[in-house]
Amino acid sequence: GQQLNQSPQSMFIQEGEDVSMNCTSSSIFNTWLWYKQDPGEGPVLLIALYKAGELTSNGRLTAQFGITRKDSFLNISASIPSDVGIYFCAGQLRSGGGGADGLTFGKGTHLIIQP
Amino acid sequence: NAGVTQTPKFQVLKTGQSMTLQCAQDMNHEYMSWYRQDPGMGLRLIHYSVGAGITDQGEVPNGYNVSRSTTEDFPLRLLSAAPSQTSVYFCASSYSRHMFETQYFGPGTRLLVL
Repeated sequence: GQQLNQSPQSMFIQEGEDVSMNCTSSSIFNTWLWYKQDPGEGPVLLIALYKAGELTSNGRLTAQFGITRKDSFLNISASIPSDVGIYFCAGQLRSGGGGADGLTFGKGTHLIIQP
Repeated sequence: NAGVTQTPKFQVLKTGQSMTLQCAQDMNHEYMSWYRQDPGMGLRLIHYSVGAGITDQGEVPNGYNVSRSTTEDFPLRLLSAAPSQTSVYFCASSYSRHMFETQYFGPGTRLLVL
């Protein structure tokens, strides 16, 4: 199936630092989603992006839909201990028919914060 | 609302055993799905349902069966467990197939097949 390349795989940062991660694909996506998964829990939606170039914020989180429609970025400002977890991107292909069954998920970025 | 609930939380099986992973939602969602999560892999879709009585295969359906007799429940059956089915299984639901941004995930079932 379709592959999403998510990087970095893991990040070790100090509390208070800003974080950046991204997802790239060889195909054009209609929609990008960013999820966070806490240890032992299921993913929770953070941000949804629908248009190329769109920049959307949710508190200290900001995500962007790349102009080429083949990438997306997530930034976290001033990280705090509760930001620890796995962050996943997911995309809906332009040719995918528009359903949840057509979502492709990245492999995740593990965020570890050192106090 | 309890949201999406999954039972059991943990399960150990021997190769060849069968079992059913339970999933229930109380949000009157039409769309329900099962994913598996493996180390170094993104979530992969096993089966999904767009409403009671309707199911379809996802990316990795082999070795799994589903049924949807009610709107609320969407059990996943492992017919003859294999070590390759060791994984974390997530059930998810949303208002409809197209409203995927409203998809809620359950807490997961961690399955070990020996």
